[in-house]
Amino acid sequence: GNSVTQMEGPVTLSEEAFLTINCTYTATGYPSLFWYVQYPGEGLQLLLKATKADDKGSNKGFEATYRKETTSFHLEKGSVQVSDSAVYFCALSNDSWGKLQFGAGTQVVVTP
Amino acid sequence: DAGVIQSPRHEVTEMGQEVTLRCKPISGHNSLFWYRQTMMRGLELLIYFNNNVPIDDSGMPEDRFSAKMPNASFSTLKIQPSEPRDSAVYFCASSFDEEQFFGPGTRLTVL
Repeated sequence: GNSVTQMEGPVTLSEEAFLTINCTYTATGYPSLFWYVQYPGEGLQLLLKATKADDKGSNKGFEATYRKETTSFHLEKGSVQVSDSAVYFCALSNDSWGKLQFGAGTQVVVTP
Repeated sequence: DAGVIQSPRHEVTEMGQEVTLRCKPISGHNSLFWYRQTMMRGLELLIYFNNNVPIDDSGMPEDRFSAKMPNASFSTLKIQPSEPRDSAVYFCASSFDEEQFFGPGTRLTVL
């Protein structure tokens, strides 16, 4: 079956530091990959996605590249801000109904 | 567009009571998902619908939980009777393709 594994948090960083959150997956076929972000007290929202191997998704300074050879989709940002403090979820979909398989989530705390 | 609308935003009830959570998906979306989020278990998919038809309810924890989607613009998740371990944030999400749009959630507390 499908599964998503992401690094445990919390990850605590200083403002302007480099952020990496690792994500690996197991799936049949050719899934689409996603990063969702959840700010405190809110629902999840899509941050970026990639639909095929070697695609790079990017948004708000965040990037992730779909690596089929390593079954990974690591999230990176070069210079984080306090406003990036949130929980980040890696997810995949290879279901015709749009069902997502989420990872456990990684909490990121950015301090001034 | 107002996004996915959930009501109530907060619900406090006593053990044994019936609880009904409501969701209005984004107009034009044909899939709807109900999730539960807790610190212990993380984000769990409970059930999802496509074109108002339940596709997979294997995530529903037990018979006390039921969900309906009588039309394309409304869905309910009901817990009867409620128990303290049902305390969680319940999210509804809708989609037209692969991107799911989440509502703000209903925080349920069962005393």
